[in-house]
Amino acid sequence: DAGITQSPRHKVTETGTPVTLRCHQTENHRYMYWYRQDPGHGLRLIHYSYGVKDTDKGEVSDGYSVSRSKTEDFLLTLESATSSQTSVYFCAISEPSGVGYEQYFGPGTRLTVT
Amino acid sequence: GDSVTQMEGPVTLSEEAFLTINCTYTATGYPSLFWYVQYPGEGLQLLLKATKADDKGSNKGFEATYRKETTSFHLEKGSVQVSDSAVYFCALNPPSRAQKLVFGQGTRLTINP
Repeated sequence: DAGITQSPRHKVTETGTPVTLRCHQTENHRYMYWYRQDPGHGLRLIHYSYGVKDTDKGEVSDGYSVSRSKTEDFLLTLESATSSQTSVYFCAISEPSGVGYEQYFGPGTRLTVT
Repeated sequence: GDSVTQMEGPVTLSEEAFLTINCTYTATGYPSLFWYVQYPGEGLQLLLKATKADDKGSNKGFEATYRKETTSFHLEKGSVQVSDSAVYFCALNPPSRAQKLVFGQGTRLTINP
């Protein structure tokens, strides 16, 4: 258990509304990630962070923004939700392990945009 | 670009059967390779990994060998149990972009008693 929590765990929202998902970690990990999971696509990286106020885009970043003002919190915002953003969102951290790194995932947030 | 391809699912087996889930990858250099498992309603759990050619990762009776010559990392288990029913993801960490995983599409496995 890498001490990762996500909130909310489930959310239903309407098209055009803003939505913020929160990822919280308790073990001072430097790297944090947001992925989305969709059938037939596995997990795809949205954004990631390599430190406080240091973030970068992943492969599917359009329509999403992130912020990291504290080491323990990484926020994902959908400025104006669309139905194509209905998905399960996973937060992850990365920690060194032997040669290389390992990523550990939170429990996920199921978002439905109606 | 970097990519991972897994065998199409779903896969359905009987208890105690032998399991193979194929995974091949495309990447420059020597990526690290991973298998993750996702049980219903849960997040992903790291199952095993390998960081260089010919390494064998193993955990909970599952094994996978990093084959550079065939760019493969197939997951195997000699005798599956009902509790192994889950979705399995193969992933790679490209050497040029540390700590950013690229996932395959996932393979759903169902084990019948």
